[in-house]
Amino acid sequence: AQSVTQPDIHITVSEGASLELRCNYSYGATPYLFWYVQSPGQGLQLLLKYFSGDTLVQGIKGFEAEFKRSQSSFNLRKPSVHWSDAAEYFCAVGRYGGSQGNLIFGKGTKLSVKP
Amino acid sequence: GAVVSQHPSWVICKSGTSVKIECRSLDFQATTMFWYRQFPKQSLMLMATSNEGSKATYEQGVEKDKFLINHASLTLSTLTVTSAHPEDSSFYICSAITGGRAEAFFGQGTRLTVV
Repeated sequence: AQSVTQPDIHITVSEGASLELRCNYSYGATPYLFWYVQSPGQGLQLLLKYFSGDTLVQGIKGFEAEFKRSQSSFNLRKPSVHWSDAAEYFCAVGRYGGSQGNLIFGKGTKLSVKP
Repeated sequence: GAVVSQHPSWVICKSGTSVKIECRSLDFQATTMFWYRQFPKQSLMLMATSNEGSKATYEQGVEKDKFLINHASLTLSTLTVTSAHPEDSSFYICSAITGGRAEAFFGQGTRLTVV
């Protein structure tokens, strides 16, 4: 069965520091992978997605993620974190045929940013 | 991006009563809408998929008679929690897509508390 694991429940980084949020997935075929961000009281916003091709994908707000098939990982990175990046981040895998609606989510990682 | 609006954002109801949550796509026609549920510190779990004009498809373990989903138009889907009990207290969030592989847009979620 497909699954998504985000090992870190809560991460705190200093503003301006680099960030890496971990995501591991379990899926037999080529996965369709997503990262979403959720601010308090807001819906989920798509940061980036990977379907195929270049394994390093660029997203909005300066985020990027790298798909590593050998490690079953899709870690999210940002070189310099801003205070406005404080939010909850969810990694997800598409369940059927690339549908972006039918998703399996990880439990999320809450990001706090220290001034 | 497109806007999906959920209403209400939060609701408190008495045990035994029913609650209706609306999910609207404000600036696009949603052929398919998805309803997720999120328990504290847990993943978002897909409850059901609804296509306009047809019956919803429920995920295994989701009681279709308890969680009634109606997708009567291309811009509106509703989730009715019938005879709500405290264990139904949760965060419910919908998403909508325009087609099979289109990007999913999420509502801001509805916090349901049953007392």
